[in-house]
Amino acid sequence: DGGITQSPKYLFRKEGQNVTLSCEQNLNHDAMYWYRQDPGQGLRLIYYSQIVNDFQKGDIAEGYSVSREKKESFPLTVTSAQKNPTAFYLCASSRDRVGDIAKNIQYFGAGTRLSVL
Amino acid sequence: AQSVTQPDIHITVSEGASLELRCNYSYGATPYLFWYVQSPGQGLQLLLKYFSGDTLVQGIKGFEAEFKRSQSSFNLRKPSVHWSDAAEYFCAVGEGSTLGRLYFGRGTQLTVWP
Repeated sequence: DGGITQSPKYLFRKEGQNVTLSCEQNLNHDAMYWYRQDPGQGLRLIYYSQIVNDFQKGDIAEGYSVSREKKESFPLTVTSAQKNPTAFYLCASSRDRVGDIAKNIQYFGAGTRLSVL
Repeated sequence: AQSVTQPDIHITVSEGASLELRCNYSYGATPYLFWYVQSPGQGLQLLLKYFSGDTLVQGIKGFEAEFKRSQSSFNLRKPSVHWSDAAEYFCAVGEGSTLGRLYFGRGTQLTVWP
């Protein structure tokens, strides 16, 4: 089955610890995205990547880092600099081609819930 | 900058009643518009989308939405709500030659009374 897999489903972070959230897709999509969701805030973009070895900051990148070494994978690290990391994190992917834009729809994983111990 | 406003944080309807969720966007050119639905603890599922053409678009689960350029709106409707429709609904707008990143509204939580 094609799709986006996020792991783990639940994650706990201790004070001063870095944690990494995994996102893998087998849809052969070019672009991948990380969103943070807080109650009543909607989805806010953290980072996105349109091509391997390249990524751009979104609206709330401070305290987060990413890498895109493979087309299929876009891990997100929540660093100790992120003072309020408790949230639901969603990864998405999409085709990113000019022409037939209707095929560039974003598809989402099931999310990772991060809490602070 | 693009923005999306969903004025209703929480809506409660009775099962079988009609539903309309409001969405207003701010964008200079013709936007690409979406409605997504999220069940508790889950990811987002695409309900429907508008790119061009007919301003009334049909989606999954019996939902439809109407694009009104003059009002910068893209409201979601369903004639008869089912208890399984209880979820959070997000309106989003995209742009550009490849669609790219999406801008989301804050969401509307739908509660359905039996």
